[in-house]
Amino acid sequence: DAGVIQSPRHEVTEMGQEVTLRCKPISGHNSLFWYRQTMMRGLELLIYFNNNVPIDDSGMPEDRFSAKMPNASFSTLKIQPSEPRDSAVYFCASTLMESDTQYFGPGTRLTVL
Amino acid sequence: SQKIEQNSEALNIQEGKTATLTCNYTNYSPAYLQWYRQDPGRGPVFLLLIRENEKEKRKERLKVTFDTTLKQSLFHITASQPADSATYLCALTASGGSYIPTFGRGTSLIVHP
Repeated sequence: DAGVIQSPRHEVTEMGQEVTLRCKPISGHNSLFWYRQTMMRGLELLIYFNNNVPIDDSGMPEDRFSAKMPNASFSTLKIQPSEPRDSAVYFCASTLMESDTQYFGPGTRLTVL
Repeated sequence: SQKIEQNSEALNIQEGKTATLTCNYTNYSPAYLQWYRQDPGRGPVFLLLIRENEKEKRKERLKVTFDTTLKQSLFHITASQPADSATYLCALTASGGSYIPTFGRGTSLIVHP
């Protein structure tokens, strides 16, 4: 198995632009998580899905952030408009629902100038 | 409020020694605790899980203890090697139904040859 796949690996954009991050979970996993990691705040859960349905988005910082999971093999995290404070590494993780362990992708390093 | 604390200062040790990392928590009734390893530019990778009714868990050179009275977990790497150098994150899952972990900010371990 290829593991969790994220794209792009690096994204540099200018303030105000729309950014879309992509994630392909491990085949057969039915829970998907989006995290953001910064030096100041560590690894923060933004949103998670069970069976493609958003369950808890209380970690999404504001309305500029949105996430979708149109099918079991694909999810997107969108930031519109982006701001410099959104600069961070964004991780996607997947697991079997109610499993103990999460499997993380390699992350997308986002820089907003 | 709920807190997970890991030492923010890097732990520097000599090859062959035992590394001990600490994870303290407050205001949690834990179901289980996990330890993950994170290398630069990569996502966290699961290492070990210990449940609240377990005192100790071992896997090869790794050992985890869990003291729910002290509200602390210790993570040990015996006979440490330079390849063990990484950031180690603890993640706590509270009892009460949710299986979603909350991550600490991690401690960097540097093993010198």
